[in-house]
Amino acid sequence: AQTVTQSQPEMSVQEAETVTLSCTYDTSENNYYLFWYKQPPSRQMILVIRQEAYKQQNATENRFSVNFQKAAKSFSLKISDSQLGDTAMYFCAFKRSTNQAGTALIFGKGTTLSVSS
Amino acid sequence: AAGVIQSPRHLIKEKRETATLKCYPIPRHDTVYWYQQGPGQDPQFLISFYEKMQSDKGSIPDRFSAQQFSDYHSELNMSSLELGDSALYFCASTTRGGDTDTQYFGPGTRLTVL
Repeated sequence: AQTVTQSQPEMSVQEAETVTLSCTYDTSENNYYLFWYKQPPSRQMILVIRQEAYKQQNATENRFSVNFQKAAKSFSLKISDSQLGDTAMYFCAFKRSTNQAGTALIFGKGTTLSVSS
Repeated sequence: AAGVIQSPRHLIKEKRETATLKCYPIPRHDTVYWYQQGPGQDPQFLISFYEKMQSDKGSIPDRFSAQQFSDYHSELNMSSLELGDSALYFCASTTRGGDTDTQYFGPGTRLTVL
């Protein structure tokens, strides 16, 4: 069974600074997808960034980038130039790559990020 | 861009009552997922459907049932509600094809059982 671990329950950062959220996972699969979702106080689940395991290049979306280390089973999220609107719970999630439709996401416990001015 | 629609957004029920949650996926999405998120917890997968057939099953109680209809919308039926069923229920949708199979979430239905 796959597991996702986020070892930082809470983190805080000042506006304009850079912060890195950690995520490790355990799987025997070779092909899979990894995601970071953001859940602000509105509780909406918003996709931040995604990474395909077969791609060596780290994904980047504007101020958000990942450091994907497949051998170490690590998938950290870096937020550059932090903004107040980045305040949210961040979930790391794993999904097997399979021909079967409807395969579930497995979430970590989340990291609460607070950005202050 | 159109998003996943869930209704109702808020629902208050008494213990032992029934509830029905509805989910309308993004147009042209054929796969629907249901997740339950308790207070302060991560989302837990309940069940998924692809082309109106159950695809994967997680920790869904026997008191709950779900189905997907011909227009791809889905309903989660919950009976004999318990206090512990109070949670945020998310629906997500995706479509086969593409290389990421990314799930897009609706705003959730907040269920309170009194």
